[in-house]
Amino acid sequence: SAVISQKPSRDICQRGTSLTIQCQVDSQVTMMFWYRQQPGQSLTLIATANQGSEATYESGFVIDKFPISRPNLTFSTLTVSNMSPEDSSIYLCSVDWIRGRLGETQYFGPGTRLLVL
Amino acid sequence: AQTVTQSQPEMSVQEAETVTLSCTYDTSESDYYLFWYKQPPSRQMILVIRQEAYKQQNATENRFSVNFQKAAKSFSLKISDSQLGDAAMYFCAYRPETSGSRLTFGEGTQLTVNP
Repeated sequence: SAVISQKPSRDICQRGTSLTIQCQVDSQVTMMFWYRQQPGQSLTLIATANQGSEATYESGFVIDKFPISRPNLTFSTLTVSNMSPEDSSIYLCSVDWIRGRLGETQYFGPGTRLLVL
Repeated sequence: AQTVTQSQPEMSVQEAETVTLSCTYDTSESDYYLFWYKQPPSRQMILVIRQEAYKQQNATENRFSVNFQKAAKSFSLKISDSQLGDAAMYFCAYRPETSGSRLTFGEGTQLTVNP
């Protein structure tokens, strides 16, 4: 499976500021995904990031609030902009692992735990 | 739209016993994948087991096995010989076969293992 790292692992931020989360994979992968997990809840997909194209956002998430970059096949960033306490969540990146059938399994990074005061 | 339902918010099991976590899903697709992920207190999402819908045989990974009932759209996880390290939140997830498609997660089941 792919080895995925995220930076930072956790952060405490003031409202109105922005935080950029990095996701690094040890292999080239086609698709990268960003999820949010609010306290006590399940995972919700924010957007899908392909290398060389604009990210595709899910309903309820917009580029101005969550800009994403995907400069190459091993790296992506998610920025949480103009933060409010409601953005306090765990943010996880995941990747498709291509083995035999295309994109059958997603593996997750360790997550970034964000607290907004 | 696909939905995944886990009707048991919490479950508990005695160490060395067997426990079954339930999951149902709704889809109009015929080809898809189903997954169980484990999330311990560290919050790392760990893949436990995967099932391809086209396979009739239930997937097994050591102490973990599934009961996949395609017609009933049911996908339960059985944990045998439960260990303290199995204590975690367990998420059932669905994914269509389409390349690059998203995962849809259930709400999770918090499993407690009692010594």
